[in-house]
Amino acid sequence: QSALTQPASVSGSPGQSITISCTGTSSDVGAYNYVSWYQQHPGKAPKLIIYDVSERPSGVSDRFSGSKSGNTASLTISGLQAEDEADYHCCSYTDSSSWVFGGGTELTVL
Amino acid sequence: QLQLQESGPGLVKPSETLSLTCAVSGGSISSSSYYWGWVRQPPGKGLEWIANIYYTGSTYYNPSLKSRVTISADMSKNQFSLKLSSVTAADTAVYYCARDPATDESFDIWGQGTMVTVSS
Repeated sequence: QSALTQPASVSGSPGQSITISCTGTSSDVGAYNYVSWYQQHPGKAPKLIIYDVSERPSGVSDRFSGSKSGNTASLTISGLQAEDEADYHCCSYTDSSSWVFGGGTELTVL
Repeated sequence: QLQLQESGPGLVKPSETLSLTCAVSGGSISSSSYYWGWVRQPPGKGLEWIANIYYTGSTYYNPSLKSRVTISADMSKNQFSLKLSSVTAADTAVYYCARDPATDESFDIWGQGTMVTVSS
């Protein structure tokens, strides 16, 4: 299985909105609504911020939202804050009962 | 509050077997509500799923690693383990254990991670 495709980096100014894409295939992203997103600060473990394409775990800011169209999922962060600067990883369940991650996207808050 | 803690050697020689254990506290790995898994991250790179296990003993492996990986669980000790054989420098990574709610196929709780270096 091939890794999902994410942009290597994105950037935005405080208060702005940014969107990170995550492109897979009809065997993973397009097959199920089991796309999740993780935020990872340097030296820390990943933190789940979106599951089931668009659901937020308890305690996660509503500035984070997710969506999906066909084989591409997206994470949108609105009202960018300095603390949002981190790496973001997407993940999808696949039709072979496995999981596949994207390569990760580095978010810089200018 | 559920906590996961990885343990194991930080240095493994090439061609040997990497062995890690994840101790779970604050919850039971015998629960039918969760899978338990391993994810790794080579330095400066993205995350890679390795394997999952369910309380029934059912196992799921990354196809690219399947021939070298074994995941197992010890219900009496409330822990699960990973073995990766014939390691090379490409297996150098931070290894995380994580919980996967069976209802949504995500990884909602993670251990802090343990760095494993493959070198002679």
